[in-house]
Amino acid sequence: DAGVIQSPRHEVTEMGQEVTLRCKPISGHDYLFWYRQTMMRGLELLIYFNNNVPIDDSGMPEDRFSAKMPNASFSTLKIQPSEPRDSAVYFCATRQWAKRQQFFGPGTRLTVL
Amino acid sequence: AQTVTQSQPEMSVQEAETVTLSCTYDTSESDYYLFWYKQPPSRQMILVIRQEAYKQQNATENRFSVNFQKAAKSFSLKISDSQLGDAAMYFCAYRSARTFQGAQKLVFGQGTRLTINP
Repeated sequence: DAGVIQSPRHEVTEMGQEVTLRCKPISGHDYLFWYRQTMMRGLELLIYFNNNVPIDDSGMPEDRFSAKMPNASFSTLKIQPSEPRDSAVYFCATRQWAKRQQFFGPGTRLTVL
Repeated sequence: AQTVTQSQPEMSVQEAETVTLSCTYDTSESDYYLFWYKQPPSRQMILVIRQEAYKQQNATENRFSVNFQKAAKSFSLKISDSQLGDAAMYFCAYRSARTFQGAQKLVFGQGTRLTINP
């Protein structure tokens, strides 16, 4: 199994541009989580899905952020318009129901200039 | 809401020595899971060890073990025979064992940066 796949690994963009981060979960995993990691706030959950349905989006910072999971094998996190304070590492993680462990992707390092 | 606190921003240890990283948490629940994750410079999050709250026995994985004190809400990680490859950020995390949908997320501490001195 290839594990959780995230793309791109690095993204540099200018303020005001749209950014789309992508995640491919491990096959058979029915939970998908998006986390953001910054020096100031540490690791925080943005949103998670169960069976492609958003369950808890209370961590999404504002309307500029949106996430979708159109099918069991793909999810996106979109920021529009991006701002410098969005600079962070964004992780996707997935888990199978009744299993203990979340598996993390390698993360996307986003820099907004 | 549950919270996780790691009071040691940085720790260092001599190679081959033992080090203990501290973690405390706050919850009103009786059943939950606790985890230690390692994040090396590659930034990949790697599960080190996990503990189910209903188990009294402390979890052990090779050189890694935990001291789980449920009443004190404490969950420390002990690394024995420290190796250079153990250098990383270590995160303590909590997850509810409740099955309602909103309970499935991990709550992380702020992390402890561990340095191994050769």
